[in-house]
Amino acid sequence: NAGVTQTPKFQVLKTGQSMTLQCAQDMNHEYMSWYRQDPGMGLRLIHYSVGAGITDQGEVPNGYNVSRSTTEDFPLRLLSAAPSQTSVYFCASSPDTRSYNSPLHFGNGTRLTVT
Amino acid sequence: AQSVAQPEDQVNVAEGNPLTVKCTYSVSGNPYLFWYVQYPNRGLQFLLKYITGDNLVKGSYGFEAEFNKSQTSFHLKKPSALVSDSALYFCAVRDKGYSTLTFGKGTMLLVSP
Repeated sequence: NAGVTQTPKFQVLKTGQSMTLQCAQDMNHEYMSWYRQDPGMGLRLIHYSVGAGITDQGEVPNGYNVSRSTTEDFPLRLLSAAPSQTSVYFCASSPDTRSYNSPLHFGNGTRLTVT
Repeated sequence: AQSVAQPEDQVNVAEGNPLTVKCTYSVSGNPYLFWYVQYPNRGLQFLLKYITGDNLVKGSYGFEAEFNKSQTSFHLKKPSALVSDSALYFCAVRDKGYSTLTFGKGTMLLVSP
């Protein structure tokens, strides 16, 4: 059971480039989300999805797009990378958004540097 | 709105001593509270949760947390710290009216031999 898999582990981009961070889970979880982690700021929610075909914005959505065409996959797209998007990105999933006590399962993160 | 605060950036404790990592929260309804731990270059791992019921919650690796409604706190505790407990700890809250989880800024726990 792989859990939540994120690729790539590391990425360096130049300002203005675009890329997609991949996230896949094999636990049939309905809820998936993307967070960014910055020093002194904890984790901030970028986008989330409560099921295939449904996405919504979190606390810091600007500059990012998401889609959820399948239950398993939840890619995060950076449209035009900026140095302010240098961060560690985490994908997380949980079984059911109606179960408020369900803990999140995290991937191991993607460390992104924008120069 | 829901929010959570971790007032300490870092907690230092000697191995074998008890440890406490503090967390306070703010919600409009009943809180669902969580503690997560992050080891270097890894994602967060779930430690324990409070939903309803007993105010003392037991979790993984000997950790426990005490829910105090009057003080809106959910402090993480362990009776005897290990060097291997050194990590970054996050408190998180979910209000029943919300579908998302809000995290604190994290507290680095350093346990010295």
